Amino acid sequence: QKEVEQNSGPLSVPEGAIASLNCTYSDRGSQSFFWYRQYSGKSPELIMFIYSNGDKEDGRFTAQLNKASQYVSLLIRDSQPSDSATYLCAGWNNAGNMLTFGGGTRLMVKP
Amino acid sequence: DAGITQSPRHKVTETGTPVTLRCHQTENHRYMYWYRQDPGHGLRLIHYSYGVKDTDKGEVSDGYSVSRSKTEDFLLTLESATSSQTSVYFCAISEVSSEKLFFGSGTQLSVL
Repeated sequence: QKEVEQNSGPLSVPEGAIASLNCTYSDRGSQSFFWYRQYSGKSPELIMFIYSNGDKEDGRFTAQLNKASQYVSLLIRDSQPSDSATYLCAGWNNAGNMLTFGGGTRLMVKP
Repeated sequence: DAGITQSPRHKVTETGTPVTLRCHQTENHRYMYWYRQDPGHGLRLIHYSYGVKDTDKGEVSDGYSVSRSKTEDFLLTLESATSSQTSVYFCAISEVSSEKLFFGSGTQLSVL
């Protein structure tokens, strides 16, 4: 079992809808989590990070962390075709020396 | 890409040859990482460095070595390339441990 798990998708949503991306992790000691967006053929780009339980909002993006249930989610409001990409969830291990990535969820936003 | 340059961007080589990939940063960050990305496996850590001459193994380090003689440069060497090392290699940097990573543009390596 991977330490960070994501549904590979594709997740298809219509333009203007809310896209909900989920991630679970197995290392209870993990403290900080990150969401990266990766367009095809490009490098991962950091879009959100969250360290505490609850919600963190930045523009159209909201990251949610629930340490008791060991899941992290990313909500994208008013989804645009330009949001179509693969979204990678990542968390640091308890030792703090390895950022482990999930396999990514491919999001498709249809006009 | 946050002041990170990877070279070469693309390389085709033959099985059994040595290959060195270079990562150069202008951010003066202490931590540097090498990841490989493969379909079905996502991003996996190969090696990382926490300072000049200080390196450690990651999740998939077999067949790879690294060196860091200067803060700004982190080299990844495949001593004898194999077809299983065909992948996209990303370098990443972070200012402090357990913090945000920023990635370079990647190197597409094909081993024939």
